[in-house]
Amino acid sequence: SQKIEQNSEALNIQEGKTATLTCNYTNYSPAYLQWYRQDPGRGPVFLLLIRENEKEKRKERLKVTFDTTLKQSLFHITASQPADSATYLCALELNDYKLSFGAGTTVTVRA
Amino acid sequence: KAGVTQTPRYLIKTRGQQVTLSCSPISGHRSVSWYQQTPGQGLQFLFEYFSETQRNKGNFPGRFSGRQFSNSRSEMNVSTLELGDSALYLCASSLERQGLVGEQFFGPGTRLTVL
Repeated sequence: SQKIEQNSEALNIQEGKTATLTCNYTNYSPAYLQWYRQDPGRGPVFLLLIRENEKEKRKERLKVTFDTTLKQSLFHITASQPADSATYLCALELNDYKLSFGAGTTVTVRA
Repeated sequence: KAGVTQTPRYLIKTRGQQVTLSCSPISGHRSVSWYQQTPGQGLQFLFEYFSETQRNKGNFPGRFSGRQFSNSRSEMNVSTLELGDSALYLCASSLERQGLVGEQFFGPGTRLTVL
């Protein structure tokens, strides 16, 4: 069966450090992989999209890698700040007009 | 540009009732998707509409239905509500590109509580 797993439910890090989140998937061949941020009580906010033929994407302090052989994406937040505290969701899109989401990893950045 | 709007924001219903939720996408976005979010199951895909056509449906019972209007606004309906339908219902819109929905812009959600 198809599965999307994000490495852990919670990640606590010190301000200024790099947070690394993992998204592993099985029995998918996604066209896109996306990362979203969600704050409590709000809808998810799009962060980055990476295509199946791309290895890496960057946006400001965020970096995403995509390894279709390992079936894994890594999401990095460099120089983390308390404002980065949120739940981060990975999502896969096949060619079927829907996103399938992982359960999310809650990141807490300590000042 | 105005974001995705959803109404109502909060709703309390009792078992057996039905409910209709509304979503207005970002202007120019023709793809609208609906998701259910619960603590136990996370974000689950309900359905996606484009130009008034449902192109995909998630694994939910027939009590969950939706539609899209010619102005891209969308509604979803849940009939015969059950306690387990209590959730945050999220609508998202996107510009379709090359047959994929791509990055999605989510609304604030409708918090449904079934008593």
